[in-house]
Amino acid sequence: DIQMTQSPSTLSASIGDRVIITCRASQSISGWLAWYQQKPGKAPKLLISQASSLESGVTSRFSGSGSGTEFALTINSLQPDDFATYYCQQYSSYYTFGGGTKVEIK
Amino acid sequence: EDQLVQSGGGLVEPGGSLRLSCVASGFIMGSYGVNWVRQAPGKGLEWVSYISGSSSYMYYADSVRGRFTISRDNPKNSVYLQMNSLRVGDTAVYYCARSTGYSSGYYHFDNWGQGTLVTVSS
Repeated sequence: DIQMTQSPSTLSASIGDRVIITCRASQSISGWLAWYQQKPGKAPKLLISQASSLESGVTSRFSGSGSGTEFALTINSLQPDDFATYYCQQYSSYYTFGGGTKVEIK
Repeated sequence: EDQLVQSGGGLVEPGGSLRLSCVASGFIMGSYGVNWVRQAPGKGLEWVSYISGSSSYMYYADSVRGRFTISRDNPKNSVYLQMNSLRVGDTAVYYCARSTGYSSGYYHFDNWGQGTLVTVSS
């Protein structure tokens, strides 16, 4: 099974900050990685697929990068609506989610 | 607008059964694979099961294989998750999620239902 390790688990940031969340796969997944945003009591929302492809309608302040085993989600100029929990997901072989990163207000 | 609407959650005793439903509106469910994903209280996301558009392929997580059965009724635009031999550890919010693919292989999830809570407790 492919394991996904996200870091940090919690991130405190201020409005306007640039934040980076990383995700590491236990083996190469090529570019088969998605990022989701989840707010309390809500379903996850797809942000990025294939490591760096921004979903239609998602602000360009979000960007994804990486391939193989190392990936990152970058949020530029953090806005109030961005405070949420973010999950990476590999879909190279079955499906595995990372443990999540909660972005909190500093 | 493409939507997935879920129903069927609730409280059940250990060893009991429950069936979850996921109905599509705004699109033809039969054109997509569909997954079930669960989230235990205060925890992260765990993929549970997948069914392809034609029901030719079905995959299960090890944690539910042999106890849960995924199925679909395309004329009714619906996907189901039959959960048997439920355990306390199955307590979670269950989400259905549309796959961006139709057949075998693996795809990301682009549309999610609102979630339904399943509580397994005596």
